[in-house]
Amino acid sequence: DTAVSQTPKYLVTQMGNDKSIKCEQNLGHDTMYWYKQDSKKFLKIMFSYNNKELIINETVPNRFSPKSPDKAHLNLHINSLELGDSAVYFCASRRTSGDTDTQYFGPGTRLTVL
Amino acid sequence: QKEVEQDPGPLSVPEGAIVSLNCTYSNSAFQYFMWYRQYSRKGPELLMYTYSSGNKEDGRFTAQVDKSSKYISLFIRDSQPSDSATYLCAMSFYGNNRLAFGKGNQVVVIP
Repeated sequence: DTAVSQTPKYLVTQMGNDKSIKCEQNLGHDTMYWYKQDSKKFLKIMFSYNNKELIINETVPNRFSPKSPDKAHLNLHINSLELGDSAVYFCASRRTSGDTDTQYFGPGTRLTVL
Repeated sequence: QKEVEQDPGPLSVPEGAIVSLNCTYSNSAFQYFMWYRQYSRKGPELLMYTYSSGNKEDGRFTAQVDKSSKYISLFIRDSQPSDSATYLCAMSFYGNNRLAFGKGNQVVVIP
């Protein structure tokens, strides 16, 4: 009964390849996010979807394309992978209710580009 | 000035000591305050959540928010080796779709 799940957990690939990461949440939340965490542990927001609609699109290369088929899923497709794309990518789901505004993170996908 | 400042540490303490972590912020609109704990090779886990000013206690953990000083704190009493992790502060305000994160503070509790 994992709240936010991601697949795959590890992804090792060659430069120039295209890959996808999938995320699913079973919390019933409307808003989901993709974050990138670099080696210094800083979490950088990439995208956010609210009920399948893109609401945040940070300065991210257009090789990265998010897709939300429904509000429980948010996938990330990356074209023409580069060495600098190596990082841990986290999906998160947001709960807002009255005096509550929190996010719940998935376990992460560790991407290594060779 | 960064929106949220957090000294990245690392911070090493002996087992049983009190761990004190803090973040300062510049945007007075922030009203939701969170602390996340992240173990190595794991996702951030929501540890404490506070709305507006005040204190919140949960077991060995206490979160404090001082909005007048734009300062939040996390205290861990009777620290255990299992508390060794990176702690990230985060905050947001109503109508804002994003969390502002601190850089994270690595804590090592030495047995």
